[in-house]
Amino acid sequence: DAKTTQPNSMESNEEEPVHLPCNHSTISGTDYIHWYRQLPSQGPEYVIHGLTSNVNNRMASLAIAEDRKSSTLILHRATLRDAAVYYCILRDRGIQGAQKLVFGQGTRLTINP
Amino acid sequence: KAGVTQTPRYLIKTRGQQVTLSCSPISGHRSVSWYQQTPGQGLQFLFEYFSETQRNKGNFPGRFSGRQFSNSRSEMNVSTLELGDSALYLCASSKIQGTWNTEAFFGQGTRLTVV
Repeated sequence: DAKTTQPNSMESNEEEPVHLPCNHSTISGTDYIHWYRQLPSQGPEYVIHGLTSNVNNRMASLAIAEDRKSSTLILHRATLRDAAVYYCILRDRGIQGAQKLVFGQGTRLTINP
Repeated sequence: KAGVTQTPRYLIKTRGQQVTLSCSPISGHRSVSWYQQTPGQGLQFLFEYFSETQRNKGNFPGRFSGRQFSNSRSEMNVSTLELGDSALYLCASSKIQGTWNTEAFFGQGTRLTVV
């Protein structure tokens, strides 16, 4: 399974941008980069995913390095509700292309009021 | 649109017993995956079912098993419970199996405590 490396924790202030880094130096050519987050006492929640190009959606932006060995999740204006553990995941095709998410330890994001 | 529903939300069992957890995926989703979350090991993949067939399995002992019904609902079973099986068990459903360009929707989980 391809691995990702994320900082254990990060802290930011409300209404400021947050950049969450992820390293994935062993990524293969067709691995998609997915981000999920887990709020307290809830199951993980999909945030965004991408392959090569930068991606934007209503929740966040994903910036992918040209060599694809790293990526950054960008929260443009953090709110208290964004406090969660953020997971950067390389989508593993597994056997017969089955779905399998390989979670690392993630980054615990704290947002200060 | 209803989300992924897991029942029960909380469960307390005794060592040696067995337990069955249930997951109802989002309507129209045919892929269901199960994960175990513990403070020490984090989130770990258990297995995935699609069209009533197990498509992928994680590195867990045979005491962990599952199945999927024709309506895509899934159950997982843990036999001969051990203290270390205490965890949050999460179910995720996806619309399309076999692609890596789709998102998974997770339920709130079943908190299993083994005493």
